[in-house]
Parts: sequence; C-alpha cells; structure tokens
Amino acid sequence: GAVVSQHPSRVICKSGTSVKIECRSLDFQATTMFWYRQFPKQSLMLMATSNEGSKATYEQGVEKDKFLINHASLTLSTLTVTSAHPEDSSFYICSVLLAHLNEQFFGPGTRLTVL
Amino acid sequence: QQQVKQSPQSLIVQKGGISIINCAYENTAFDYFPWYQQFPGKGPALLIAIRPDVSEKKEGRFTISFNKSAKQFSLHIMDSQPGDSATYFCAASWANDMRFGAGTRLTVKP
Repeated sequence: GAVVSQHPSRVICKSGTSVKIECRSLDFQATTMFWYRQFPKQSLMLMATSNEGSKATYEQGVEKDKFLINHASLTLSTLTVTSAHPEDSSFYICSVLLAHLNEQFFGPGTRLTVL
Repeated sequence: QQQVKQSPQSLIVQKGGISIINCAYENTAFDYFPWYQQFPGKGPALLIAIRPDVSEKKEGRFTISFNKSAKQFSLHIMDSQPGDSATYFCAASWANDMRFGAGTRLTVKP
C-alpha cells in the first residue's frame, strides 16, 4: 500500500486564525487525494476530492472558501482552514487513491482544536 | 442519505471468541468493499477488502463474507484478541467515490 503522512499531527489555534494541514504521499505519486473530517465517535465524512493540477471537488455542504485545498504536486495536498472557529475543531484525515486498485490509504490524521 | 449501514454500533467479545460486524449497501454500482481498522487518535488502516466477483475472502483471522444479491457483507474476526479492540469501518466504493459505515467499536475482553 501507499505510505501517507500528515503534518502537523495536532494543532491548537485561536479563533479567527487560519491553519494549514499538509498531506504527503511518500512512496506513490497520487493524482487524487481525499480530505475527510471525523468528529469524536463518528464516521469519516468526505469533505473534498483533491485533484493534482485542478480545482478540488467539494461535497455538498462543505464551504470551499473556508476549506481551501491545493494539490500542487503529485505528492502533496494541503488543506487550509480559514478563519477557524471552535466548531471547526475536529480530526482531519487525508487519503491517497491508488487508482489502478481503486484503494485508498489514509494518513495518520491531524487533530485541530480551535480555542 | 446513508448509503452504507453498519451494525452493531458497539460489540463486546471475550478473548478467543468470534467478532461479527455487518454492513448493507444500497448502490449496486459499488464494486469495492474494504474494511478499515482505526485506533484512537490514528488514521484508518486498510484491514481487508473484497470485490463482488467473490463471496468470501480470508486473510489470517479476518474473513469477509459477501452476499451480492442481498447487498450485504460482513467481517468475521476469529480468535479475537484484546489487541483487536478498535473501531471498525466498512466502506463501499465505486470509481473514486467511497462511502463509510458509521463504525463499530469493538472491545475484546481478556
């Protein structure tokens, strides 16, 4: 499978600030990556599909201006939570798609806490 | 709309017992059915997966049973161990679209 890293693993920020989360595919060039959000004791909710070199595709109800996604290379996608508020506190997880197998491999996640 | 329904929500099993988690899906276009294991504070890890051309897949203590006509699939964990205690998610995928079940919190008591 693919090895996926995320940075930072956890971040605490003040309300109103912006936070950038990086997702890297360490051993595989990924044209497609995904960003998920997971609240405590809940399932993963797909936020957006990140496509290298093009605009991300957002799921219904996800504000694209609040959650900025940049997939500038085949190994890096970033999620920026702009003007974060306490309700944005969550566990954010990215994954990479191995297209030939239609399999997704997940990063370790980033715990965001907005005070 | 919940496309993948998972049950039970939580499960307690004695060490050495069999853990069984069930999932049902609605979209017949789904063609890939993985199970993920997630420990607290970690990302999900692919455990085992099946495609609809087979009815069963076994890897070590983990077995997926798949019933295409009923649109159901299940995970069996044989000889369950305390280290298996985690949250398990089933998923169903078609093209780049993967939908997850709500998760099952498994506790294996020593």
